[in-house]
Amino acid sequence: DTEVTQTPKHLVMGMTNKKSLKCEQHMGHRAMYWYKQKAKKPPELMFVYSYEKLSINESVPSRFSPECPNSSLLNLHLHALQPEDSALYLCASSQPDRLNEKLFFGSGTQLSVL
Amino acid sequence: RKEVEQDPGPFNVPEGATVAFNCTYSNSASQSFFWYRQDCRKEPKLLMSVYSSGNEDGRFTAQLNRASQYISLLIRDSKLSDSATYLCVVNIGFRGNTGKLIFGQGTTLQVKP
Repeated sequence: DTEVTQTPKHLVMGMTNKKSLKCEQHMGHRAMYWYKQKAKKPPELMFVYSYEKLSINESVPSRFSPECPNSSLLNLHLHALQPEDSALYLCASSQPDRLNEKLFFGSGTQLSVL
Repeated sequence: RKEVEQDPGPFNVPEGATVAFNCTYSNSASQSFFWYRQDCRKEPKLLMSVYSSGNEDGRFTAQLNRASQYISLLIRDSKLSDSATYLCVVNIGFRGNTGKLIFGQGTTLQVKP
């Protein structure tokens, strides 16, 4: 069982909706990530938070807005999405380590935008 | 050129076969390397880290060649349960304390009876 919990597991939303994806970890990790994965493609990095500060934004459109309320929680706020944003959204956490940083993933939120 | 490249396969092998996957990376400053396994509709899970000296975990052996900038994964005595997509992950650099971990496109393995 994964120690990174994501909710909801599935989400269907219209292009005018506002929704949020949530992620929680209790491993004491200080880095948290959002990845997007389309079918038959690898995960693509979206955002990284390190010690609750945004450290990497991979030029993600502003309709995706990340938030890190504390070291255990990571949210992704969604607004005015497009159908092409439909994908599996994966949250991951790690303990920052310059030599051996490993990612632990949640089971993902399967998002469909209609 | 992509930062991390893998042959997507698929590799179709019989049970008991030995199969090897390669992955190349473009950033010579990359510090850490991993193999992840992803089953259909599931999240990626860490299979093993890859060290310069090479490392083994049961039927799995990982190697790193820094000079040629590639890593490999060898699976011996393949089992049906090894069927999955194997993802190469490279930490291509750091922003502050945090690494930037990038995935290769994955190699699909299908082990057949």
